Amino acid sequence: QKEVEQNSGPLSVPEGAIASLNCTYSDRGSQSFFWYRQYSGKSPELIMSIYSNGDKEDGRFTAQLNKASQYVSLLIRDSQPSDSATYLCAPPGYSSASKIIFGSGTRLSIRP
Amino acid sequence: IAGITQAPTSQILAAGRRMTLRCTQDMRHNAMYWYRQDLGLGLRLIHYSNTAGTTGKGEVPDGYSVSRANTDDFPLTLASAVPSQTSVYFCASSEGSGGTDTQYFGPGTRLTVL
Repeated sequence: QKEVEQNSGPLSVPEGAIASLNCTYSDRGSQSFFWYRQYSGKSPELIMSIYSNGDKEDGRFTAQLNKASQYVSLLIRDSQPSDSATYLCAPPGYSSASKIIFGSGTRLSIRP
Repeated sequence: IAGITQAPTSQILAAGRRMTLRCTQDMRHNAMYWYRQDLGLGLRLIHYSNTAGTTGKGEVPDGYSVSRANTDDFPLTLASAVPSQTSVYFCASSEGSGGTDTQYFGPGTRLTVL
């Protein structure tokens, strides 16, 4: 099993709907997660971080972390065409940068 | 300079040639990282540096070397390029080390090895 797994997509969602992106991980030691967004041909940029079980909301974005089930999700409400991008899930390396692992990303497409 | 800059933007290189990818940050971040990104494989860590004067190996270090002589610069060298090193290379930095902080990425270098 890969350490971090994401559905590669593409995930197609109509404009205005809720987009749900999921990430599962194998390392029970992971304590927090980052979600990065990457537009085609551009570099990744952080959109959300979550450090404890439960939900964290920031505008139209909600990150959900469930340590018992070892998954983290990102919900995007009122999806806009500008949300079309690849979303990368990443547990931090906590004790060592050598342990940094990114998921391969889920490509999201918002259709008008 | 604002944030992280990388040079060159893109490069076509003959196999066997030596190449150095440059990365400079002006945020005074302690940690810096080099990743490669290939279709379907996501970002893979090549090398990292927690602070000036120290470096470490990531997931895919073979064929690459780095140095960290000062806080701002973190060059990545391919001693003898091979076609499998064709990829997009991203440099990143973070305030703290250990990979627990937000990483800020440079614009990337697209490298093609023929």
